[in-house]
Amino acid sequence: GAVVSQHPSRVICKSGTSVKIECRSLDFQATTMFWYRQFPKKSLMLMATSNEGSKATYEQGVEKDKFLINHASLTLSTLTVTSAHPEDSSFYICSARAGRQVTSGNTIYFGEGSWLTVV
Amino acid sequence: GNSVTQMEGPVTLSEEAFLTINCTYTATGYPSLFWYVQYPGEGLQLLLKATKADDKGSNKGFEATYRKETTSFHLEKGSVQVSDSAVYFCALSGVSSGSARQLTFGSGTQLTVLP
Repeated sequence: GAVVSQHPSRVICKSGTSVKIECRSLDFQATTMFWYRQFPKKSLMLMATSNEGSKATYEQGVEKDKFLINHASLTLSTLTVTSAHPEDSSFYICSARAGRQVTSGNTIYFGEGSWLTVV
Repeated sequence: GNSVTQMEGPVTLSEEAFLTINCTYTATGYPSLFWYVQYPGEGLQLLLKATKADDKGSNKGFEATYRKETTSFHLEKGSVQVSDSAVYFCALSGVSSGSARQLTFGSGTQLTVLP
């Protein structure tokens, strides 16, 4: 079946540095990828929608200059947390949708998630 | 806009007990409905889905029926196991900006099954 892989699964970085998280679709082309953030014991918050070859669409309240998203190819999207602060510590999850057609019931596949700890 | 409401947890059951996790939704049009499961320390996995009214999704002994008249998609399992302990998310897929179909998630329900 379709697989979405995230890397790294866990990362610790110092305040003020930047960290990049990769999201890859391993056996399908993902024209659209989504980035979510999950706080402990909370639901997932959609941060942005990433379309291959174009700028990401950010949800209200998400700083696009802080959370840089690049979807340079049909199999890779990256999230870069710039000038990280301890409050950016969270579980970040990407998901990917295959194909170009919007069809009813099109399944979205999730990566394993990445734990970011900013110290 | 779209929204999903799940029963609040945590839910604690004994092994082999019957499980129901309620989920209701608000959406325009005809969304697809999903249940995702998140085991400790892991990302989300699709558990089951239903794409139209009266469809029943099933997987690993779990079932949920798409009820348009009650806008519900309750998750059920007849006999839970310790290995079912996880957080369960109800979600719907509806058209948002452009051609992307975003997922709207419920708040999640923590299930703990005791031996």
